[in-house]
Amino acid sequence: QKEVEQNSGPLSVPEGAIASLNCTYSDRVSQSFFWYRQYSGKSPELIMSIYSNGDKEDGRFTAQLNKASQYVSLLIRDSQPSDSATYLCAVNAKGYGNKLVFGAGTILRVKS
Amino acid sequence: DARVTQTPRHKVTEMGQEVTMRCQPILGHNTVFWYRQTMMQGLELLAYFRNRAPLDDSGMPKDRFSAEMPDATLATLKIQPSEPRDSAVYFCASGLVLGSLGEQFFGPGTRLTVL
Repeated sequence: QKEVEQNSGPLSVPEGAIASLNCTYSDRVSQSFFWYRQYSGKSPELIMSIYSNGDKEDGRFTAQLNKASQYVSLLIRDSQPSDSATYLCAVNAKGYGNKLVFGAGTILRVKS
Repeated sequence: DARVTQTPRHKVTEMGQEVTMRCQPILGHNTVFWYRQTMMQGLELLAYFRNRAPLDDSGMPKDRFSAEMPDATLATLKIQPSEPRDSAVYFCASGLVLGSLGEQFFGPGTRLTVL
């Protein structure tokens, strides 16, 4: 079992819809969770951090964390074609401060 | 505008040559990471420094790769000798760790092609 799992996609949504990206992780003691966006040919860009159970909203983005079920999700409201990218889920590794384990990423395509 | 910088941005070299990649972390950050990204393997951690001390380099092929932080403003990743399978994008990231939390910010990467 991979430490951080994501559906590779592609996930296709129409412009204006809500895109829902999911991630599960195996290490129960993980405390920090991150979503990165990576455009083709570019570096990963941090878009959301979440540390507590529940929802965290930032503009059109909402991160949701459920430690009991070991999943973290990212919702993108009013999806735009510019949101088309690969979204990487990252979880801090046990005992290593901010060493992160990354999922393989989900490709999101927003169709206009 | 605080950013991680990396040089060179692109490097084409021949098998057997030495390659050196450089990274300047964000001022004040105390952790530096080197990653390699390929289509097949995704994002792999190669090395991790905290306060310039190497904490983890288990992801790095020891026989040909080496990572150092000669000072707080410079991290280097060397490959000697390089091989075609080393072709990838190499990212440096830095962060400020507070307890067990901490975000990482990535540089633009070095795209390495070994012929």
